[in-house]
Amino acid sequence: QVQLQESGPGLVEPSETLSLTCTVSFGSISSYYWSWIRQPAGKGLEWIGHIYVSGSANYNPSLKSRVTMSVDASRNEVSLKLSHVTAADTAVYYCARVYSVSGVSHSWFDPWGQGILVTVSS
Amino acid sequence: QSVLTQPPSVSAAPGQKVTISCSGSSSNIGNNYVAWYQQLPGTAPKLLIYDNNKRPSGIPDRFSGSKSGTSATLGITGLQTGDEGDYYCGTWDSSLSAGIFGGGTKLIVL
Repeated sequence: QVQLQESGPGLVEPSETLSLTCTVSFGSISSYYWSWIRQPAGKGLEWIGHIYVSGSANYNPSLKSRVTMSVDASRNEVSLKLSHVTAADTAVYYCARVYSVSGVSHSWFDPWGQGILVTVSS
Repeated sequence: QSVLTQPPSVSAAPGQKVTISCSGSSSNIGNNYVAWYQQLPGTAPKLLIYDNNKRPSGIPDRFSGSKSGTSATLGITGLQTGDEGDYYCGTWDSSLSAGIFGGGTKLIVL
């Protein structure tokens, strides 16, 4: 059963770039979209974006100018970079596989990683 | 403010039934498929319902989903204390070209 594990720094300074990696185990990264979703403490879920193994990506319009996702199929890894972070970017960041039947409009997130808390503070 | 609207909380006694609503528009729920996610305290979200009304393997039939027009509903019967947590609806918004979630509903089993 495929498993996802997020990793990266738990503390990032304001105005710097947040960098996270999602490692996919017991399954192939191919033929799927992979998504990043975040959740500030005590708040709801926010979709950050998704990327296909080909490198084609789609980002949340509210974050688009600051987000970059990439895929390393040889290492079964998906990466997230979020630039110019502020305290508002403090959240638990999840990666999730996008299970799609006929495109992203017919899809769902399964499974999810356990999440990683990233705090933006000096 | 979320694009999809859910009630902040619902509550019921053990053994009873609850429903959680998720209201959207023609650009999201009205023309796309809905999924529901369960987030128990301190854990990551977990897929509960996909394709509006299908249950993944391992999800008990106490959980059900439905969709009508621009709204979706999650039903839970035979409530257990272990069901306490947050429940989120999610779908794709064709106008935004983005994945979206409801604000979440906290289920309290009295």
